[in-house]
Amino acid sequence: GENVEQHPSTLSVQEGDSAVIKCTYSDSASNYFPWYKQELGKRPQLIIDIRSNVGEKKDQRIAVTLNKTAKHFSLHITETQPEDSAVYFCAASSSGNTDKLIFGTGTRLQVFP
Amino acid sequence: EAQVTQNPRYLITVTGKKLTVTCSQNMNHEYMSWYRQDPGLGLRQIYYSMNVEVTDKGDVPEGYKVSRKEKRNFPLILESPSPNQTSLYFCASSPHRQGSYGYTFGSGTRLTVV
Repeated sequence: GENVEQHPSTLSVQEGDSAVIKCTYSDSASNYFPWYKQELGKRPQLIIDIRSNVGEKKDQRIAVTLNKTAKHFSLHITETQPEDSAVYFCAASSSGNTDKLIFGTGTRLQVFP
Repeated sequence: EAQVTQNPRYLITVTGKKLTVTCSQNMNHEYMSWYRQDPGLGLRQIYYSMNVEVTDKGDVPEGYKVSRKEKRNFPLILESPSPNQTSLYFCASSPHRQGSYGYTFGSGTRLTVV
């Protein structure tokens, strides 16, 4: 079945620096790759997603890149701010009738002022 | 306001005492799903439902039951809870195929089984 690996598990950056979180997936038929942000004590919330027909997508300070050949995708956050501190989850859809969504294990990002 | 509502937020129970966690969405979404979140393991799917009366197992279904008698409600039932079911539980819904258009998550239920 589909497997999603996420790295690093923790990431600390200085305010204003960039942060990059990487995920790899195993199912070459995966076609949907969302990223969720979970602040402490809150629910995961969708922040950006990308489909397999696109290589890059950007939304203000957040961007996601997808390399279908290598089966990996990354979240890029530029000009980080303390409010970016959270746990970030990547996910990939699996093929088949159920089109299941498989989550990575999460990255705890800390942005220090 | 479009939302997924879970109850209760916190629950402490004893081993073997049946419990139900309720989940309701007001967005007319077809897909609903239950996840459990454990440190270092991310979000693991327990059960999902593609529509009324259509449910199926996720990755970790043992010890859980669900039902989907109405489109808006998707309760999670633990018939005989055990300590290894201590976890943070999230209900989620999506308008179409499983998560392919993004999930809306509920606020979560922190369950402790002693």
